[in-house]
Amino acid sequence: DIQMTQSPSSLSASVGDRVTITCRASQSIGTFLNWYQQKPGKAPKLLIYAALSLESGVPSRFSGSGSGTDFTLTISSLQPEDFATYYCQQSYSSPLTFGGGTMVEIK
Amino acid sequence: EVHLVESGGAVVQPGGSLRLSCAASGFTFPDYGMQWVRQVPGKGLEWVSLISWDGGSTYYADSVKGRFTVSRDNSKNSVYLQMNSLRAEDTALYYCVKDRGGSSSILDYWGQGTLVIVSS
Repeated sequence: DIQMTQSPSSLSASVGDRVTITCRASQSIGTFLNWYQQKPGKAPKLLIYAALSLESGVPSRFSGSGSGTDFTLTISSLQPEDFATYYCQQSYSSPLTFGGGTMVEIK
Repeated sequence: EVHLVESGGAVVQPGGSLRLSCAASGFTFPDYGMQWVRQVPGKGLEWVSLISWDGGSTYYADSVKGRFTVSRDNSKNSVYLQMNSLRAEDTALYYCVKDRGGSSSILDYWGQGTLVIVSS
């Protein structure tokens, strides 16, 4: 199975900050990497697919990059509604696997 | 608008069985693979199962293989998860999830989940 490791596991940031979350795969997965946002009590929501493609309706302050084993989710200017937990997920091979999550909290 | 509505979650004793259902609307259901993902409250996400658009291919996490069975009825726009020999570690919120395209495993729409509690 492909292991997905996210860092940090949590971070505190202020509105307007630039936030970067990283995700590392235990083997090369090309660009088969997706990012999700989950708010408390809600289902996850797709943000980025295929490493860098923005899902329809997702604000352009979200962006993804990377390929192979190392990936990044960036929020260019954190907004109040962005405080949530973010997960990466590989869609390269079965079983699908997720990172452990990064909780973005208000500083 | 895509809607996925899960049902069937309950409190069940260890060793028991449960059948989860997911009713889909707002898209051409027979065209898409469907998945189940679970989450222990307060913890991370764990993939459970995938069924292809026609039900011809199914995949399972090792943790549920041999105990869970996924199926679908395209005439009813529904997908199911039959859960047997339930264990305490199966306690979780179970999400029904739509694939972005075919069985790409890009999870573009999620239901709100149905809670399964395995406890004596």
